[in-house]
Amino acid sequence: SSDLTQDPAVSVALGRTVRITCQGDSLRTYYASWYQQRPGQAPVLVIYGNNNRPSGIPDRFSGSNSGNTASLTITGAQAEDEADYYCKSRDSTGDLYVFGIGTKVTVL
Amino acid sequence: QVQLVESGGGVVQPGRSLRLSCAASGFIVSAYAMHWVRQAPGRGLEWVAVISYDGSNTYYADSVKGRFTISRDISKSTLFLQMNSLRPDDTAVYYCARDPYGSGTYYSAFDVWGQGTMVSVSS
Repeated sequence: SSDLTQDPAVSVALGRTVRITCQGDSLRTYYASWYQQRPGQAPVLVIYGNNNRPSGIPDRFSGSNSGNTASLTITGAQAEDEADYYCKSRDSTGDLYVFGIGTKVTVL
Repeated sequence: QVQLVESGGGVVQPGRSLRLSCAASGFIVSAYAMHWVRQAPGRGLEWVAVISYDGSNTYYADSVKGRFTISRDISKSTLFLQMNSLRPDDTAVYYCARDPYGSGTYYSAFDVWGQGTMVSVSS
């Protein structure tokens, strides 16, 4: 299967840590990347490959990979981290791409 | 600065065609794979199509294969999406995105996105 499975929603208290997971068979071969999307805005890349952060992304965002699961961790969540987070990877052929359904993160 | 700007969206009747454009600036288009991604109202992101950095390969999601065509004009630093036989379920915001990684790697990273252009398919 090429599907990527994410929990639809999670909540985290301000300043605490939250981990978002993404599961799929293709993750055994291909790295996930993670995208933050705030309401009404375009997605923003926050993590790619083996825990790489683009310039300008705070270091409270980190990623990890194990077997068929990729994870995005926000350590010390801030109010501005409230957003939808999507994982993405290639499908099993390597030629196509697939997004997870997205996880809505609420900061309490 | 590095930027992508989409245009060409609008309201179109089912069965008709529309061509989207994505103007790139601040980088060399021929050095990157380029993608189209769409998002239906209230829904998640859906990958649509990719063109390789050298333009030799294109791939499509099953939902658009045979109806949509991705292409580019290097001289104009512009990416296109020709959409034919449009259906109501093609209604979405369409984004273009840059990807430093091509096929044959274990990575992909859409590191630059446009602001999106809205396509509504309705009679």
